[in-house]
Amino acid sequence: NLLLTQPHSMSEFPGKTVSISCTRNSGTFAGDYVQWYQQRPGSAPTIVMYDNNQRPSGVPDRFTVSIDSSSNSASLIISGLQTDDEADYYCQSSDGNNVVFGGGTKLTVL
Amino acid sequence: QITLKESGPTLVKPTQTLTLTCAVSGFSINFGGVGVGWIRQPPGKSPEWLGIFYWDDDQRYSPSLRSRLTITKDTSRNGVVLRMTNVDLVDTGTYYCARTSSDDILRGGWFGPWGQGILVTVSS
Repeated sequence: NLLLTQPHSMSEFPGKTVSISCTRNSGTFAGDYVQWYQQRPGSAPTIVMYDNNQRPSGVPDRFTVSIDSSSNSASLIISGLQTDDEADYYCQSSDGNNVVFGGGTKLTVL
Repeated sequence: QITLKESGPTLVKPTQTLTLTCAVSGFSINFGGVGVGWIRQPPGKSPEWLGIFYWDDDQRYSPSLRSRLTITKDTSRNGVVLRMTNVDLVDTGTYYCARTSSDDILRGGWFGPWGQGILVTVSS
């Protein structure tokens, strides 16, 4: 069964860069793309990056994704952190049998 | 503007059947390539995909919940209906519906936009 593992929490100062990892235990992100969602308290998740490294309109280019095939992991990289970036972030992917979300990373902007 | 809105009971008893409706606007569920998925999120936990209904009446379900789930079309409301049988306390959570333009979510794709969600509590 597909499992996506994320760090439980991360924190960084405004203006800095943070990298949130998502590691899959089977398959590859080359074969089954990763999606990233941002969820603020009391709100539904919204997509911030899709199909590995595509950015929806309206999402600032401070958000990027890096894929490391050697470790079967993807990282959501947020540069120039802003207080507004404080939220939970979830990765999502599939394996042909199921759609799976990662456990989520709570990002705190100090 | 595309919007989705979930409706249904907010409190159900164990062993009962939960029925939720997702009404959509700004697009037709009969439009080629469109799917409406259901995702739930227990309090304080990550989202869990439940299933999806496609424009061509095709459906896909989470393997772990397949035996308890049915997703159908509600043509009168331009939406989809989720039916979950034999609910238990662990089914408590916020239930969301969301649109996808992926033609096979099991091979890739993303959800957006999402509805506001409806908090369903299972309690006796």
